[in-house]
Amino acid sequence: EAQVTQNPRYLITVTGKKLTVTCSQNMNHEYMSWYRQDPGLGLRQIYYSMNVEVTDKGDVPEGYKVSRKEKRNFPLILESPSPNQTSLYFCASSTGDRLEEKLFFGSGTQLSVL
Amino acid sequence: GNSVTQMEGPVTLSEEAFLTINCTYTATGYPSLFWYVQYPGEGLQLLLKATKADDKGSNKGFEATYRKETTSFHLEKGSVQVSDSAVYFCALSARRNTPLVFGKGTRLSVIA
Repeated sequence: EAQVTQNPRYLITVTGKKLTVTCSQNMNHEYMSWYRQDPGLGLRQIYYSMNVEVTDKGDVPEGYKVSRKEKRNFPLILESPSPNQTSLYFCASSTGDRLEEKLFFGSGTQLSVL
Repeated sequence: GNSVTQMEGPVTLSEEAFLTINCTYTATGYPSLFWYVQYPGEGLQLLLKATKADDKGSNKGFEATYRKETTSFHLEKGSVQVSDSAVYFCALSARRNTPLVFGKGTRLSVIA
């Protein structure tokens, strides 16, 4: 089954404790992206990647890191989480090379930073 | 820059009512337009799309027509059901190899 898998689904942590949210897709997609969703602000893009070893900043990259060492994986790293990073995070992927290609989303990771 | 503006919610309707969610866009060139839906506790999924002017996208009873003259892509459904309760996002893709631009989403609640 074609899917984007994020882990964990829920995460509670404390300020400053490094964490990684994993994202994996099994569709051989070139394009992968991370979004955060906050009430009243909709979806905001954090980082995206057009292909292996290629990453670019989205609208809200501060406080986040990503890597794309393999085509299928695109982890999101918070080196020193802060409470303002409490949010619902989504990973997404697509082939990326055509305007009409749809995005496939993971089920989300609800992060709480205390 | 490219942007999408959606009507603010929440929208509350009774079952079998007519639904319209407005979406307008600003973009250079000829973007592709999308509606995504997010059901409670899930990620977004594509509902419908249109890739050129006057195209109509449709799926699950929902429709939206790409209107270049009014730069709009309004979502409509003739008779909503409780199961349509979700958050709806309008989005555009303006150029190849550039990220999708999303609106802020409109929450729809349908009551029996």
